[in-house]
Amino acid sequence: GDSVTQMEGPVTLSEEAFLTINCTYTATGYPSLFWYVQYPGEGLQLLLKATKADDKGSNKGFEATYRKETTSFHLEKGSVQVSDSAVYFCALTPENTGNQFYFGTGTSLTVIP
Amino acid sequence: NAGVTQTPKFRVLKTGQSMTLLCAQDMNHEYMYWYRQDPGMGLRLIHYSVGEGTTAKGEVPDGYNVSRLKKQNFLLGLESAAPSQTSVYFCASRQTGRGGELFFGEGSRLTVL
Repeated sequence: GDSVTQMEGPVTLSEEAFLTINCTYTATGYPSLFWYVQYPGEGLQLLLKATKADDKGSNKGFEATYRKETTSFHLEKGSVQVSDSAVYFCALTPENTGNQFYFGTGTSLTVIP
Repeated sequence: NAGVTQTPKFRVLKTGQSMTLLCAQDMNHEYMYWYRQDPGMGLRLIHYSVGEGTTAKGEVPDGYNVSRLKKQNFLLGLESAAPSQTSVYFCASRQTGRGGELFFGEGSRLTVL
């Protein structure tokens, strides 16, 4: 069945470090891919998305590219800030049954000054 | 702009008590979902609805019931609460169509003693 696998945390980085959080997926066809962020005590909010192969989603300095050949959607940011400390979730919705969402288990990021 | 609103935000129950969580969305979305979030488990889908008057089981439906009598509301009920249902519950909604994102509420923290 469809699924998402993301790197386990927690991840701790110093401010201004480079961030990569790996995400790979299993799905037929061309699912839509998402990154959500959850700040402490809050609900999840969309960070970025991509709906077709080779699309790059970007927002707030974060980027992720939809790679069909490697079934990946890795999240990157060139210079993290303390305010980026949160839990990040990779997710997909299948191409043909778009009412379902599949989430990874989340990766906790802590950025220290 | 309210988006997705959940009530109550916090609740403490004794084992065997019943309660209902209310989710309301003002975006005219067709699809609505209830998830639970537990440490190390990510998000797990409890039930979902693809339109007014419809409901369907998700990954972990046992011990919960839902109703979607009005398009804007999705109720999650616990008939006889158990300590295993201690969790943070999130409601989400989305529009139909490929690539539509999920909009989440802020969460409801439930403790069952």
